[in-house]
Amino acid sequence: AQTVTQSQPEMSVQEAETVTLSCTYDTSESDYYLFWYKQPPSRQMILVIRQEAYKQQNATENRFSVNFQKAAKSFSLKISDSQLGDAAMYFCANSGGSNYKLTFGKGTLLTVNP
Amino acid sequence: SQTIHQWPATLVQPVGSPLSLECTVEGTSNPNLYWYRQAAGRGLQLLFYSVGIGQISSEVPQNLSASRPQDRQFILSSKKLLLSDSGFYLCAWSSGTRNSPLHFGNGTRLTVT
Repeated sequence: AQTVTQSQPEMSVQEAETVTLSCTYDTSESDYYLFWYKQPPSRQMILVIRQEAYKQQNATENRFSVNFQKAAKSFSLKISDSQLGDAAMYFCANSGGSNYKLTFGKGTLLTVNP
Repeated sequence: SQTIHQWPATLVQPVGSPLSLECTVEGTSNPNLYWYRQAAGRGLQLLFYSVGIGQISSEVPQNLSASRPQDRQFILSSKKLLLSDSGFYLCAWSSGTRNSPLHFGNGTRLTVT
């Protein structure tokens, strides 16, 4: 069974600072992808970044980057130069399930302080 | 480009009434389709997924059912709503490959009174 754990229910960061959101997962699959989704107050789910388990290089998308530690089954999200628009719920997800279903963590609510 | 439409956006229904939420995808063929539920302050729980017309897999036993009458149409239903069915329902599609992310609709906020 796939599990995804986000141990930080809430985080806060000052505007322009850097914040790291934690995620750990468990899977018996060898081929899988990991994703971070953002859910702003509008509740629209927006893909932030994805990482292939076979790639050692950490994925980067502009101000968003991940620290993928495969052996530790850890997949954290770093947001640099935080902006007010980054305030949202962030979900970590793993695609290791059958039929490539995504298993989601419970989310981390990020607050950005001006 | 691909788009996903989900409606209605909000719905208030009494206990015991029926439910029908609809989701359609445009711009792609043979997508995998999913229904997720998000309870207040919690993560997303997969309810149903479908890899083709008429093929429905249920992830958790519940008061709800799903159908896929057409390739790009996915419907979530209930014959009699329970209070516990309240929540935020999200439809999503993917291309069905390991690296394919889910693309979500805007969601339906269901309140059962």
